[in-house]
Amino acid sequence: GQQLNQSPQSMFIQEGEDVSMNCTSSSIFNTWLWYKQDPGEGPVLLIALYKAGELTSNGRLTAQFGITRKDSFLNISASIPSDVGIYFCAGPNAGGTSYGKLTFGQGTILTVHP
Amino acid sequence: ETGVTQTPRHLVMGMTNKKSLKCEQHLGHNAMYWYKQSAKKPLELMFVYNFKEQTENNSVPSRFSPECPNSSHLFLHLHTLQPEDSALYLCASSSSGTKETQYFGPGTRLLVL
Repeated sequence: GQQLNQSPQSMFIQEGEDVSMNCTSSSIFNTWLWYKQDPGEGPVLLIALYKAGELTSNGRLTAQFGITRKDSFLNISASIPSDVGIYFCAGPNAGGTSYGKLTFGQGTILTVHP
Repeated sequence: ETGVTQTPRHLVMGMTNKKSLKCEQHLGHNAMYWYKQSAKKPLELMFVYNFKEQTENNSVPSRFSPECPNSSHLFLHLHTLQPEDSALYLCASSSSGTKETQYFGPGTRLLVL
Protein backbone atom coordinates (compact mmCIF):
# COMPACT_ATOMS: atom_id res chain seq x y z
CA GLY A 1 0.00 0.00 0.00
CA GLN A 2 0.91 3.65 -0.09
CA GLN A 3 3.35 4.95 2.48
CA LEU A 4 4.44 8.42 3.44
CA ASN A 5 7.93 9.00 4.77
CA GLN A 6 8.12 12.10 6.88
CA SER A 7 11.35 13.69 8.05
CA PRO A 8 12.84 14.61 10.31
CA GLN A 9 11.22 12.52 13.05
CA SER A 10 11.94 15.21 15.62
CA MET A 11 13.39 18.69 15.82
CA PHE A 12 14.70 20.76 18.73
CA ILE A 13 15.04 24.42 17.84
CA GLN A 14 15.39 27.83 19.45
CA GLU A 15 12.56 30.32 19.39
CA GLY A 16 12.85 32.53 16.33
CA GLU A 17 14.43 29.90 14.10
CA ASP A 18 12.86 28.71 10.87
CA VAL A 19 11.74 25.09 10.50
CA SER A 20 11.51 22.83 7.47
CA MET A 21 10.05 19.36 7.23
CA ASN A 22 9.10 17.20 4.30
CA CYS A 23 7.08 14.22 3.25
CA THR A 24 7.83 11.82 0.41
CA SER A 25 5.92 9.01 -1.21
CA SER A 26 6.73 6.24 -3.63
CA SER A 27 3.46 6.91 -5.44
CA ILE A 28 1.69 9.99 -6.76
CA PHE A 29 -0.68 11.97 -4.57
CA ASN A 30 -3.33 14.35 -5.89
CA THR A 31 -3.79 16.12 -2.57
CA TRP A 32 -1.40 16.89 0.26
CA LEU A 33 -2.62 17.83 3.72
CA TRP A 34 -0.60 19.14 6.64
CA TYR A 35 -1.95 18.76 10.18
CA LYS A 36 -0.69 19.82 13.59
CA GLN A 37 -1.52 17.90 16.76
CA ASP A 38 -1.15 19.44 20.20
CA PRO A 39 -0.68 17.10 23.18
CA GLY A 40 -3.97 15.46 24.15
CA GLU A 41 -5.84 16.92 21.19
CA GLY A 42 -6.86 15.83 17.72
CA PRO A 43 -4.99 16.90 14.58
CA VAL A 44 -5.90 20.32 13.24
CA LEU A 45 -5.70 21.04 9.53
CA LEU A 46 -3.07 23.67 8.72
CA ILE A 47 -2.80 23.71 4.95
CA ALA A 48 -4.35 21.74 2.08
CA LEU A 49 -2.66 21.51 -1.33
CA TYR A 50 -4.53 20.36 -4.42
CA LYS A 51 -2.26 21.11 -7.38
CA ALA A 52 1.30 20.13 -8.29
CA GLY A 53 3.64 23.07 -7.77
CA GLU A 54 1.14 24.89 -5.55
CA LEU A 55 2.64 27.07 -2.83
CA THR A 56 0.25 28.05 -0.05
CA SER A 57 0.75 30.11 3.08
CA ASN A 58 -1.14 30.28 6.37
CA GLY A 59 0.43 32.96 8.53
CA ARG A 60 4.00 31.90 9.30
CA LEU A 61 3.43 28.51 7.67
CA THR A 62 4.14 27.80 4.02
CA ALA A 63 3.61 24.47 2.28
CA GLN A 64 4.40 23.34 -1.23
CA PHE A 65 3.05 20.54 -3.38
CA GLY A 66 6.06 19.01 -5.16
CA ILE A 67 6.19 19.09 -8.94
CA THR A 68 6.64 15.32 -9.11
CA ARG A 69 3.48 14.94 -6.95
CA LYS A 70 5.47 12.56 -4.75
CA ASP A 71 6.53 15.05 -2.11
CA SER A 72 5.51 18.05 -0.08
CA PHE A 73 7.26 20.51 2.20
CA LEU A 74 6.15 22.52 5.22
CA ASN A 75 8.11 25.52 6.45
CA ILE A 76 7.52 27.49 9.64
CA SER A 77 9.18 30.87 9.89
CA ALA A 78 10.23 32.63 13.10
CA SER A 79 9.09 29.81 15.38
CA ILE A 80 7.40 30.55 18.70
CA PRO A 81 6.79 28.30 21.74
CA SER A 82 3.19 27.54 20.72
CA ASP A 83 4.46 25.89 17.53
CA VAL A 84 5.33 22.90 19.71
CA GLY A 85 3.48 19.76 18.67
CA ILE A 86 3.45 16.94 16.16
CA TYR A 87 3.13 17.80 12.48
CA PHE A 88 1.65 15.22 10.12
CA CYS A 89 1.46 15.08 6.37
CA ALA A 90 -1.38 13.13 4.82
CA GLY A 91 -2.89 12.33 1.47
CA PRO A 92 -5.88 10.41 0.18
CA ASN A 93 -5.28 6.92 -1.12
CA ALA A 94 -5.62 6.51 -4.84
CA GLY A 95 -8.34 4.37 -6.31
CA GLY A 96 -12.08 4.52 -6.49
CA THR A 97 -12.57 1.89 -3.79
CA SER A 98 -10.52 3.75 -1.26
CA TYR A 99 -12.99 6.53 -0.52
CA GLY A 100 -12.06 8.52 2.51
CA LYS A 101 -8.83 6.68 3.24
CA LEU A 102 -6.03 9.01 4.18
CA THR A 103 -2.45 7.85 4.50
CA PHE A 104 -0.56 9.64 7.26
CA GLY A 105 3.12 10.20 7.73
CA GLN A 106 4.77 9.17 10.99
CA GLY A 107 4.84 12.76 12.19
CA THR A 108 7.55 15.28 13.05
CA ILE A 109 7.79 16.19 16.74
CA LEU A 110 8.73 19.84 17.10
CA THR A 111 10.16 21.26 20.32
CA VAL A 112 10.83 24.99 20.59
CA HIS A 113 13.10 26.30 23.33
CA PRO A 114 12.36 29.84 24.52
CA GLU B 1 -21.12 24.05 19.25
CA THR B 2 -18.90 23.96 16.20
CA GLY B 3 -16.60 21.47 14.50
CA VAL B 4 -16.25 17.89 15.63
CA THR B 5 -16.88 17.00 19.27
CA GLN B 6 -16.12 13.76 21.10
CA THR B 7 -17.21 12.41 24.46
CA PRO B 8 -15.91 11.35 26.82
CA ARG B 9 -12.46 12.93 26.57
CA HIS B 10 -10.99 10.34 28.90
CA LEU B 11 -12.12 6.79 29.71
CA VAL B 12 -10.76 4.07 31.94
CA MET B 13 -12.35 0.64 31.64
CA GLY B 14 -11.75 -2.92 32.67
CA MET B 15 -11.50 -5.73 30.17
CA THR B 16 -15.00 -6.98 30.97
CA ASN B 17 -16.71 -3.59 30.71
CA LYS B 18 -18.88 -2.29 27.91
CA LYS B 19 -18.61 1.39 27.00
CA SER B 20 -19.35 3.65 24.06
CA LEU B 21 -17.54 6.57 22.51
CA LYS B 22 -19.58 9.32 20.90
CA CYS B 23 -18.72 11.69 18.07
CA GLU B 24 -20.80 14.53 16.68
CA GLN B 25 -20.00 16.82 13.77
CA HIS B 26 -21.58 20.23 13.18
CA LEU B 27 -20.02 20.87 9.78
CA GLY B 28 -22.73 19.48 7.52
CA HIS B 29 -20.44 16.69 6.36
CA ASN B 30 -21.68 13.32 5.19
CA ALA B 31 -18.66 11.12 5.85
CA MET B 32 -17.34 10.17 9.28
CA TYR B 33 -14.31 8.17 10.40
CA TRP B 34 -12.83 6.43 13.41
CA TYR B 35 -9.05 6.36 13.85
CA LYS B 36 -6.82 4.79 16.47
CA GLN B 37 -3.63 6.58 17.50
CA SER B 38 -1.12 4.60 19.52
CA ALA B 39 2.19 5.91 20.77
CA LYS B 40 4.91 6.11 18.11
CA LYS B 41 2.60 4.84 15.35
CA PRO B 42 0.93 6.60 12.44
CA LEU B 43 -2.81 7.14 12.69
CA GLU B 44 -4.66 3.93 11.89
CA LEU B 45 -7.97 4.18 10.07
CA MET B 46 -10.58 1.87 11.63
CA PHE B 47 -13.94 2.60 10.01
CA VAL B 48 -15.41 4.87 7.34
CA TYR B 49 -19.07 5.82 7.03
CA ASN B 50 -20.45 7.64 4.01
CA PHE B 51 -24.08 8.81 4.15
CA LYS B 52 -24.60 6.50 7.18
CA GLU B 53 -23.35 3.44 5.32
CA GLN B 54 -20.15 1.71 6.36
CA THR B 55 -17.75 1.78 3.42
CA GLU B 56 -14.56 0.67 5.13
CA ASN B 57 -13.67 -1.72 7.93
CA ASN B 58 -9.91 -1.84 8.14
CA SER B 59 -9.69 -5.36 9.63
CA VAL B 60 -10.78 -4.13 13.03
CA PRO B 61 -11.48 -6.79 15.73
CA SER B 62 -15.14 -7.38 16.48
CA ARG B 63 -14.72 -6.09 20.04
CA PHE B 64 -15.00 -2.66 18.35
CA SER B 65 -18.49 -2.08 16.96
CA PRO B 66 -19.30 1.18 15.13
CA GLU B 67 -22.73 2.70 14.73
CA CYS B 68 -23.76 5.64 12.56
CA PRO B 69 -27.45 6.54 13.08
CA ASN B 70 -27.22 9.67 10.91
CA SER B 71 -24.64 11.75 9.10
CA SER B 72 -23.93 13.87 12.18
CA HIS B 73 -23.39 11.17 14.80
CA LEU B 74 -20.97 8.29 15.08
CA PHE B 75 -20.50 5.85 17.94
CA LEU B 76 -17.88 3.28 18.76
CA HIS B 77 -19.13 0.54 21.08
CA LEU B 78 -16.44 -1.22 23.07
CA HIS B 79 -16.62 -4.59 24.83
CA THR B 80 -14.10 -7.07 26.20
CA LEU B 81 -11.18 -4.88 25.21
CA GLN B 82 -7.53 -5.75 25.79
CA PRO B 83 -4.84 -3.58 27.39
CA GLU B 84 -3.20 -3.13 23.97
CA ASP B 85 -6.38 -1.33 22.86
CA SER B 86 -5.40 1.59 25.07
CA ALA B 87 -4.89 4.55 22.74
CA LEU B 88 -6.30 7.87 21.60
CA TYR B 89 -9.43 7.30 19.50
CA LEU B 90 -10.07 10.05 17.03
CA CYS B 91 -13.21 10.83 15.08
CA ALA B 92 -13.11 12.83 11.85
CA SER B 93 -15.57 14.04 9.24
CA SER B 94 -15.44 15.25 5.66
CA SER B 95 -17.72 16.15 2.79
CA SER B 96 -18.11 13.90 -0.22
CA GLY B 97 -16.27 14.72 -3.34
CA THR B 98 -12.71 14.76 -4.54
CA LYS B 99 -11.36 17.14 -1.90
CA GLU B 100 -11.57 14.77 1.06
CA THR B 101 -10.12 17.07 3.64
CA GLN B 102 -10.89 15.56 7.02
CA TYR B 103 -11.52 17.50 10.19
CA PHE B 104 -10.75 15.82 13.50
CA GLY B 105 -12.30 15.86 16.93
CA PRO B 106 -10.21 16.19 20.10
CA GLY B 107 -10.18 12.44 20.69
CA THR B 108 -11.00 10.09 23.57
CA ARG B 109 -8.01 8.91 25.58
CA LEU B 110 -8.82 5.28 26.45
CA LEU B 111 -7.05 3.21 29.08
CA VAL B 112 -7.92 -0.48 29.37
CA LEU B 113 -6.91 -2.12 32.64
